Amino acid sequence: DSGVTQTPKHLITATGQRVTLRCSPRSGDLSVYWYQQSLDQGLQFLIQYYNGEERAKGNILERFSAQQFPDLHSELNLSSLELGDSALYFCASSADGDGGAFFGQGTRLTVV
Amino acid sequence: LAKTTQPISMDSYEGQEVNITCSHNNIATNDYITWYQQFPSQGPRFIIQGYKTKVTNEVASLFIPADRKSSTLSLPRVSLSDTAVYYCLAKDTGRRALTFGSGTRLQVQP
Repeated sequence: DSGVTQTPKHLITATGQRVTLRCSPRSGDLSVYWYQQSLDQGLQFLIQYYNGEERAKGNILERFSAQQFPDLHSELNLSSLELGDSALYFCASSADGDGGAFFGQGTRLTVV
Repeated sequence: LAKTTQPISMDSYEGQEVNITCSHNNIATNDYITWYQQFPSQGPRFIIQGYKTKVTNEVASLFIPADRKSSTLSLPRVSLSDTAVYYCLAKDTGRRALTFGSGTRLQVQP
């Protein structure tokens, strides 16, 4: 158990809908990262937050947004969903934002 | 983004030592190199992290030459349960993003 909790574990929704994925980092970790992994693909970095502020941005679509709250949990919002958004979405956290990160078990999103 | 390059796949047998090399350009002076292991449909698991020279833990060793433009993950005496994808993680100097390489799919056979 990495200590990073992601909810829900599975999510099935229709095209055009909006969903919110939630991540609770390890206790004491200030940095949260979001990744997308499509079937048999690598990990695509989406965005990083550090202590509530956006720190780095990767290949995140404009339809996607994220935020980190004062209690350090983070949410990834995906809107106007398309079939191609079906993927595993992972959250990771780290203590200082510059070192190794610990990953949650992911949310499997299926868009039908 | 910092580019990392790894072999796409490797095959090994139980009991052998496996070395997986990753090349990483544009790594900053104060950035670390981290390796992860991922099983299907699971989140990546942290294996080892290093800055330079050699780091060893109970699972693996990490060798980083002086120029830090590459690193080698060494797995001693692999078993069937080591069959997984191994990712090398480098940092981008400009955007500070966490960029994973394409990963190396290691297949361990009996």
